[in-house]
Amino acid sequence: KAGVTQTPRYLIKTRGQQVTLSCSPISGHRSVSWYQQTPGQGLQFLFEYFSETQRNKGNFPGRFSGRQFSNSRSEMNVSTLELGDSALYLCASSLGTRLAGENEQFFGPGTRLTVL
Amino acid sequence: GENVEQHPSTLSVQEGDSAVIKCTYSDSASNYFPWYKQELGKGPQLIIDIRSNVGEKKDQRIAVTLNKTAKHFSLHITETQPEDSAVYFCAAAGANSKLTFGKGITLSVRP
Repeated sequence: KAGVTQTPRYLIKTRGQQVTLSCSPISGHRSVSWYQQTPGQGLQFLFEYFSETQRNKGNFPGRFSGRQFSNSRSEMNVSTLELGDSALYLCASSLGTRLAGENEQFFGPGTRLTVL
Repeated sequence: GENVEQHPSTLSVQEGDSAVIKCTYSDSASNYFPWYKQELGKGPQLIIDIRSNVGEKKDQRIAVTLNKTAKHFSLHITETQPEDSAVYFCAAAGANSKLTFGKGITLSVRP
């Protein structure tokens, strides 16, 4: 079974630009969660999508948005990039049923975003 | 919201020794506690998890214990090997399945 894939793996942008990152979950998984990882703040939850609907949201500004498609693939978008947005962006997929034994989250390799 | 604290931030052990990593959480409603291992250049990999209705779980050299009363859980690695060197994250989640992570600990296993 293929794991979680993220594209692109590396990205360099300049301040003010916008960026779109993509995540393909494990086949059969309907939930995709996004996290930002930085050395200072660790892993921070951005949002979760399940069946094309945002189900959970973290404490990030509105410049961070996402969506999920009918095939469960997800994209996240960051507009008006700031230097502080430089980070590793990770997505994790799960079955999403929230039933005991079915809420394990499996991470992709991440997209390393550098904002200059 | 949930707050997960992980101590210490670094740990160095001799190959063959045991390593113990401890985490505390604040939300008594949390019921799912996974542990992730992250190697350089890779995403976090789920290595073991435990639910609030269980006190201990083992998988070969790895075990996790949970103390709901004290709100802490620990990862135990026995017979450590150099390939165990990585960053380890604990996390906690409640009914909404939103994971809150600790800051991570860098484990170094000296050959």
